[in-house]
Amino acid sequence: DAKTTQPPSMDCAEGRAANLPCNHSTISGNEYVYWYRQIHSQGPQYIIHGLKNNETNEMASLIITEDRKSSTLILPHATLRDTAVYYCIVARETSGSRLTFGEGTQLTVNP
Amino acid sequence: DVKVTQSSRYLVKRTGEKVFLECVQDMDHENMFWYRQDPGLGLRLIYFSYDVKMKEKGDIPEGYSVSREKKERFSLILESASTNQTSMYLCASSSPPRNQPQHFGDGTRLSIL
Repeated sequence: DAKTTQPPSMDCAEGRAANLPCNHSTISGNEYVYWYRQIHSQGPQYIIHGLKNNETNEMASLIITEDRKSSTLILPHATLRDTAVYYCIVARETSGSRLTFGEGTQLTVNP
Repeated sequence: DVKVTQSSRYLVKRTGEKVFLECVQDMDHENMFWYRQDPGLGLRLIYFSYDVKMKEKGDIPEGYSVSREKKERFSLILESASTNQTSMYLCASSSPPRNQPQHFGDGTRLSIL
């Protein structure tokens, strides 16, 4: 699986959009980009995933660059409950394989 | 929404006890996983199962066993608990196709005294 690079921490004001970047310059053509988050002392929560097209669901939007070497997770209106560690994962499959989280980005949403 | 339920959020046991951690999912998923998560070590796979009565060792199976008698339930057993098994235990489930995500429970924070 391709390696990912994320900033260790970010801050965001409540109500504003949170844009979390992820670099994955060695991504292969058949690898997906997945995002999870983990609120302190809870289990990881799946957010969204995509291959090359932009994706949106009720939680977030995922923007993948045309060359697929980077992506951005967008939380359109961040709330205090969005404070968490966000993990970007690149993998060919996750359904039947072990998941590995890197260091992730600690997002702090401030009032 | 997928719901993965772990039987306890917090558990305190004594060294040498046999400990059972239960996990139930409600989405008819074929695959189920047990991980432990420790600071600085990230997520580590203990055991997984692709089907009822099937089990496969993960990266750190020593000291653990599992049971999957029904599709929705996957149990992790610590045969004789030791202090180095104090950890956050996470259960996950998923279903084909390959690109589908794993969904996690809220975790069990287990302390072995």
